[in-house]
Amino acid sequence: EPEVTQTPSHQVTQMGQEVILRCVPISNHLYFYWYRQILGQKVEFLVSFYNNEISEKSEIFDDQFSVERPDGSNFTLKIRSTKLEDSAMYFCASTLGLPQVEQFFGPGTRLTVL
Amino acid sequence: GEDVEQSLFLSVREGDSSVINCTYTDSSSTYLYWYKQEPGAGLQLLTYIFSNMDMKQDQRLTVLLNKKDKHLSLRIADTQTGDSAIYFCAESASGNTPLVFGKGTRLSVIA
Repeated sequence: EPEVTQTPSHQVTQMGQEVILRCVPISNHLYFYWYRQILGQKVEFLVSFYNNEISEKSEIFDDQFSVERPDGSNFTLKIRSTKLEDSAMYFCASTLGLPQVEQFFGPGTRLTVL
Repeated sequence: GEDVEQSLFLSVREGDSSVINCTYTDSSSTYLYWYKQEPGAGLQLLTYIFSNMDMKQDQRLTVLLNKKDKHLSLRIADTQTGDSAIYFCAESASGNTPLVFGKGTRLSVIA
C-alpha cells in the first residue's frame, strides 16, 4: 500500500543551523502539508502546498521556514536558522484531493535543536 | 478561531467498549477525522465522517456525529491492549484544507 515517507527519522542540530526535512508524498497525490507536534502538545498545521505553490500557511510558518518541491517526488521543509523552540516532531502529509478527503501522514522527523 | 476539544485520558478494561469524545467549534467543519498515534509513531488515519452523516461504522469502530451540538465520538468495541494509543480528533472545512487537531485522548487498556 502506498505511504508517505520522511527522512531522516531523527535530526539533531545546533541552534542557528539550517535544516532540511524531506518527505516523499504518495505518488499521485496533489496536496501536500507540513505539521508539527511539540512534545506533549497538539499537532499544529504549518503550511499547505498545491500546484507548485503555497496555498495556505499558519502564523508559525514565518520567514525562517520555506518549502519546496524540487522534483516530481520530494517535498521539503527548510528551517533557515533553527531555534530551541523549533524542537518538535515534524509530520508531512498528502492527499489526492476531492472527492478523496483522507490526509495520509508520514512517520515524522524528530528535530532536536541544542 | 477553530478549536477542537478532547478529554485527555481514558482507561478501560480489555474487552470493554471505549468511547472517546470530541467537541469542535467551527460550524463550517465538513469532514471530521479520527487518527491514532502509537508511542513514537506517526498518525494513522482510522476513519472520517462527512458532516451530513450521523453515524459511520467500520468493523470495531463506530463514529457518531451530533452536528447540532458539534459533538463527535469514537466507539471502539471489544477494546484490546493493542488499542492503547493517543487518539486525535481533527476537523477540516473542505477535505483539502488543513486539519485542526484536538490535543488527543490517551487510551489505556488494562488487561
